[in-house]
Amino acid sequence: ILNVEQSPQSLHVQEGDSTNFTCSFPSSNFYALHWYRWETAKSPEALFVMTLNGDEKKKGRISATLNTKEGYSYLYIKGSQPEDSATYLCAFFTGGGADGLTFGKGTHLIIQP
Amino acid sequence: DAGITQSPRHKVTETGTPVTLRCHQTENHRYMYWYRQDPGHGLRLIHYSYGVKDTDKGEVSDGYSVSRSKTEDFLLTLESATSSQTSVYFCAISVSPGLGYGYTFGSGTRLTVV
Repeated sequence: ILNVEQSPQSLHVQEGDSTNFTCSFPSSNFYALHWYRWETAKSPEALFVMTLNGDEKKKGRISATLNTKEGYSYLYIKGSQPEDSATYLCAFFTGGGADGLTFGKGTHLIIQP
Repeated sequence: DAGITQSPRHKVTETGTPVTLRCHQTENHRYMYWYRQDPGHGLRLIHYSYGVKDTDKGEVSDGYSVSRSKTEDFLLTLESATSSQTSVYFCAISVSPGLGYGYTFGSGTRLTVV
């Protein structure tokens, strides 16, 4: 069973502040790293899929980086807004077949006005 | 506009009864997955499919079976439901998770086994 760790488990941030959190994954047999945003009472939605070491992806105020050699990815949110409140999941894919993603437990982000 | 739908959305069933959850997609994606979500755990893979009649087990497959007789439908069956299978079940589809394509998730099925 693959181990995908996310930290912190939860985070309270003031509106307007920037924040970041971490996803750690096995550095061997890497194929892809996914980030998802999961709002309460909704389904997870894909943010980024990263496949190359050094990848950086950006969508509006949210960006992500990837280090496959050391097995971590960071998600950054710049100028947090209340609508950014959600759980952010990362997921690891080893490839080599059709196996599904292995998900971390998520970072629960609460933006305080 | 949902390309993936799950049914039912909610179900309460008794211990020992069989239950089937349905995932239907209109995207013609090759890969389909069933996950369960429980407090204190991340999403855990139950079974997945990589084509019609091609399925395999995930991390927590005991007590579950699946079938995929058509590209668009992936069924999850609890042969004899137990209280430990009370959970929220999510179906997901993908073109290819390793080639830059993310998952699209269904809305989930909340199953309670009493």
